[in-house]
Amino acid sequence: EPEVTQTPSHQVTQMGQEVILRCVPISNHLYFYWYRQILGQKVEFLVSFYNNEISEKSEIFDDQFSVERPDGSNFTLKIRSTKLEDSAMYFCACHRGGADTQYFGPGTRLTVL
Amino acid sequence: AQSVTQPDIHITVSEGASLELRCNYSYGATPYLFWYVQSPGQGLQLLLKYFSGDTLVQGIKGFEAEFKRSQSSFNLRKPSVHWSDAAEYFCAVGAPSGATNKLIFGTGTLLAVQP
Repeated sequence: EPEVTQTPSHQVTQMGQEVILRCVPISNHLYFYWYRQILGQKVEFLVSFYNNEISEKSEIFDDQFSVERPDGSNFTLKIRSTKLEDSAMYFCACHRGGADTQYFGPGTRLTVL
Repeated sequence: AQSVTQPDIHITVSEGASLELRCNYSYGATPYLFWYVQSPGQGLQLLLKYFSGDTLVQGIKGFEAEFKRSQSSFNLRKPSVHWSDAAEYFCAVGAPSGATNKLIFGTGTLLAVQP
């Protein structure tokens, strides 16, 4: 069964540094999402992406965040200047459209020191 | 606004016992409802989903859930729990809007299974 993959599995960075989290969605899926889960809390929606543009973003997704699909296969989340409170598990998800199931990647654990 | 409530933060059951995890949602239209499971350090795996039709849906690993519109509930059940079911369970509602169908998650229920 096709899978969503994410790299790296764990990223440690210093506060103020830029990080890029990478995702390879399932190949025929058209809608892409990033979610995050702060330790011990619920999974929260960050942003959705379709047809090479952001279709919806949450309050969390401020100017420090950006997303990109640079080459038709990867889907990236960039945090320009990380803060301590950005420490979380970040999940990529995708689906084909409509009410189709969203498939989640294994996540990237981001630790900001 | 859409929301999902999972009233039980932590549940412990004995292996072989039955299980019911509660989920209540708030959504203006007919909801798309999901249950996901997360094992420690792992991603989210879909257990089952409800879009329309039969209100009792069957999922993987012997789980089922029943959609009750009158109670705004989508409780997850399993007749006999196995030790490998110990994990965190998340209920979610799909909130389609234009070109997006973001999921809104509950806070999760952590299931422990006693031998």
